[in-house]
Amino acid sequence: AQTVTQSQPEMSVQEAETVTLSCTYDTSESNYYLFWYKQPPSRQMILVIRQEAYKQQNATENRFSVNFQKAAKSFSLKISDSQLGDTAMYFCAFMKSVDMRFGAGTRLTVKP
Amino acid sequence: NAGVTQTPKFQVLKTGQSMTLQCAQDMNHEYMSWYRQDPGMGLRLIHYSVGAGITDQGEVPNGYNVSRSTTEDFPLRLLSAAPSQTSVYFCASSGEGRMNTEAFFGQGTRLTVV
Repeated sequence: AQTVTQSQPEMSVQEAETVTLSCTYDTSESNYYLFWYKQPPSRQMILVIRQEAYKQQNATENRFSVNFQKAAKSFSLKISDSQLGDTAMYFCAFMKSVDMRFGAGTRLTVKP
Repeated sequence: NAGVTQTPKFQVLKTGQSMTLQCAQDMNHEYMSWYRQDPGMGLRLIHYSVGAGITDQGEVPNGYNVSRSTTEDFPLRLLSAAPSQTSVYFCASSGEGRMNTEAFFGQGTRLTVV
């Protein structure tokens, strides 16, 4: 079974600064999807960014980008120009077919 | 756009009671799933369905039943609630005929078993 590890339970960053959240995973599959989801206090799960494993190019979405290292099974999230609204839990997820596995999450606090 | 709708948002049960968590989606997604979220453990897959009439077990299926009689609905049943089932439950859907696409989540149900 696939496993996802987020080694940083909590992180903080100053507003306007850059922060990187780490994620590693374990799989024997070659084709799969990776995601970062944001969960604010409202509890809603919000997709931040998605990466397809067969694509070499790292995904970007505005201030959010990933560093996808397939051989190392690493999928980190970089948030640039952090905003107070970025304060949330962030979950890394691995998906193959309909089987989606999540990491334990990183609680990010953006400080003014 | 309703997306994925879960009811109720909050529920308190006594040990041994049964209940059904409702989940409905209006995006014509083939794939639906249920997760539970516990502190420090992320989301864990309980059961999933790849289409009407087809269900399968996930990572933590014990104590839960599901059925999928229509594309839109995927209820989760707790037959005899236990305190260990205190958690936040999420329903998700994905697909439109393709696998490996983004999962859309409902707003969650916070269940407390006393």
